[in-house]
Amino acid sequence: DAGVTQSPTHLIKTRGQQVTLRCSPKSGHDTVSWYQQALGQGPQFIFQYYEEEERQRGNFPDRFSGHQFPNYSSELNVNALLLGDSALYLCASSLVGPEETQYFGPGTRLLVL
Amino acid sequence: EDQVTQSPEALRLQEGESSSLNCSYTVSGLRGLFWYRQDPGKGPEFLFTLYSAGEEKEKERLKATLTKKESFLHITAPKPEDSATYLCAVHEGGSEKLVFGKGTKLTVNP
Repeated sequence: DAGVTQSPTHLIKTRGQQVTLRCSPKSGHDTVSWYQQALGQGPQFIFQYYEEEERQRGNFPDRFSGHQFPNYSSELNVNALLLGDSALYLCASSLVGPEETQYFGPGTRLLVL
Repeated sequence: EDQVTQSPEALRLQEGESSSLNCSYTVSGLRGLFWYRQDPGKGPEFLFTLYSAGEEKEKERLKATLTKKESFLHITAPKPEDSATYLCAVHEGGSEKLVFGKGTKLTVNP
């Protein structure tokens, strides 16, 4: 049973550039959520996608956008990168239903110079 | 105002020395409280979900309990491999997001 996968594992960008991160959900899951985790902090919710639509959004600027594909995989795009965007970006997948436990991938470490 | 507060921030134990981690929360209409374990540089690993006050779940040396205002993660006779950051998160009614605490960093010395 394949778990949540993310790519790439690490990424280095410079200020002002754009980045795309990718996520494949756990087999059988239909919902993908994205989180940003700064060093020493808990993950912060960016947004959630279900049925290819953004279901809910956290307190992140419009520079952060996403997409979900028909096969339930998802992308997170960040435009006009700032130094403060350096963080571990986590994807979590779940199945809509009474429990909706979110299972996390290994994350993508983004460094903005 | 923080919705989820974990304490202590860091805990150092000797192997075999049992202890508890605390997660206090202030949300309306709790849909679920989650415990995750996170190793450095990796994604959180799911441990438990608790849904209602009085509920308890166990897995190996870990036991999670829930009241109306807080949850405890009890660690019995810990081993060095239990060293990690333990994250607590709540899922509030009417929302799809998980709200996380900052975590408790546990170190178990041999």
